[in-house]
Amino acid sequence: NAGVTQTPKFQVLKTGQSMTLQCAQDMNHNSMYWYRQDPGMGLRLIYYSASEGTTDKGEVPNGYNVSRLNKREFSLRLESAAPSQTSVYFCASSPQPLEVYEQYFGPGTRLTVT
Amino acid sequence: QKEVEQNSGPLSVPEGAIASLNCTYSDRGSQSFFWYRQYSGKSPELIMSIYSNGDKEDGRFTAQLNKASQYVSLLIRDSQPSDSATYLCAVAQAGTALIFGKGTTLSVSS
Repeated sequence: NAGVTQTPKFQVLKTGQSMTLQCAQDMNHNSMYWYRQDPGMGLRLIYYSASEGTTDKGEVPNGYNVSRLNKREFSLRLESAAPSQTSVYFCASSPQPLEVYEQYFGPGTRLTVT
Repeated sequence: QKEVEQNSGPLSVPEGAIASLNCTYSDRGSQSFFWYRQYSGKSPELIMSIYSNGDKEDGRFTAQLNKASQYVSLLIRDSQPSDSATYLCAVAQAGTALIFGKGTTLSVSS
């Protein structure tokens, strides 16, 4: 039981390049989330998917798109990377959405945009 | 703006002491409260959840919730150097996702 996995672990992009961060969970959770974590800013929600087939914006969605590919997988895409998107990105999942249920985090992707 | 506030620290305690970490939140409609531990360079790890007023104990950890004062705390008894980490308070508000505080850094010296 791997829990939440993320690929890649590290990535360096040039400004304007695109990439997709992959996330998968094997806990049969319904809800999945993408966060970014910056020094002094804490964890901020980018997008979430309450259930398969639905996605919603979080606090900082600009510059990102997501796809809930199936119940297990939730990807985050940067269409045209900017230096302001340099951050650590965490994927998380929970049995049910939003309140009440605990979220479990993946190991993170460290992204640098030059 | 709904907020979760934590003292950034660092909070320094000697080994064996009690560490007390505090968190306040702004939305009275908040329903669920969580404490995550994050080691440097690692992902957040859930250590406690609390949903009703009072204390909840799990091993050396005790979470305390006071909804009237909009205050949640985490006590770590018999602190160990391995407890040195950043502790994130997270609050679930009705109909919205978790709001995280910026975290308190705890340093336990041996």
